[in-house]
Amino acid sequence: SAVISQKPSRDICQRGTSLTIQCQVDSQVTMMFWYRQQPGQSLTLIATANQGSEATYESGFVIDKFPISRPNLTFSTLTVSNMSPEDSSIYLCSVQDGTNYGYTFGSGTRLTVV
Amino acid sequence: LAKTTQPISMDSYEGQEVNITCSHNNIATNDYITWYQQFPSQGPRFIIQGYKTKVTNEVASLFIPADRKSSTLSLPRVSLSDTAVYYCLVGDIPSGGRRALTFGSGTRLQVQP
Repeated sequence: SAVISQKPSRDICQRGTSLTIQCQVDSQVTMMFWYRQQPGQSLTLIATANQGSEATYESGFVIDKFPISRPNLTFSTLTVSNMSPEDSSIYLCSVQDGTNYGYTFGSGTRLTVV
Repeated sequence: LAKTTQPISMDSYEGQEVNITCSHNNIATNDYITWYQQFPSQGPRFIIQGYKTKVTNEVASLFIPADRKSSTLSLPRVSLSDTAVYYCLVGDIPSGGRRALTFGSGTRLQVQP
């Protein structure tokens, strides 16, 4: 199955700053997905990143706040911009594992905004 | 996408069998049922997937009745390390990984010594 390396694993940031989260996959994948998981909650899809085109954002998420890059088929970044305490969450990336139709997730980035 | 309903939480003891039931009354013909497990501070992990009847792997069994309006994830002889949140997802298998997963609220399983 696919292996995802997600960095950083955690960070504490000042409000008003930005943080860029990186996901590296050990195989080429068509789509990469970014999720947010607020404390004690389930996962919510932020956007879908397709190499060579603009990411597709879900309702409630905008590109200015969560810009995404997808420079090649194995790498993507999500930036959380102009952070506020409400952005404190775990952010995860995911890809489909072609071997068993399951999806593989990164270990997550635990973000705390102070 | 079919809406799923599962218990918010369950408690068990080590060595017991745990059954977590998920309701999905509006499941479509092309939909599969998939379960994921999430440990604290980790991303969700694929456990098992099925379409009908019973599926078993080294981790769990999945029971799906003929009407497919519900499913039961069975964890045999749980241990403390099975403490996690378990998510039931229903949807058709996307081709080429082009569709994201939609997660419900999940079931928080707490295993006691």
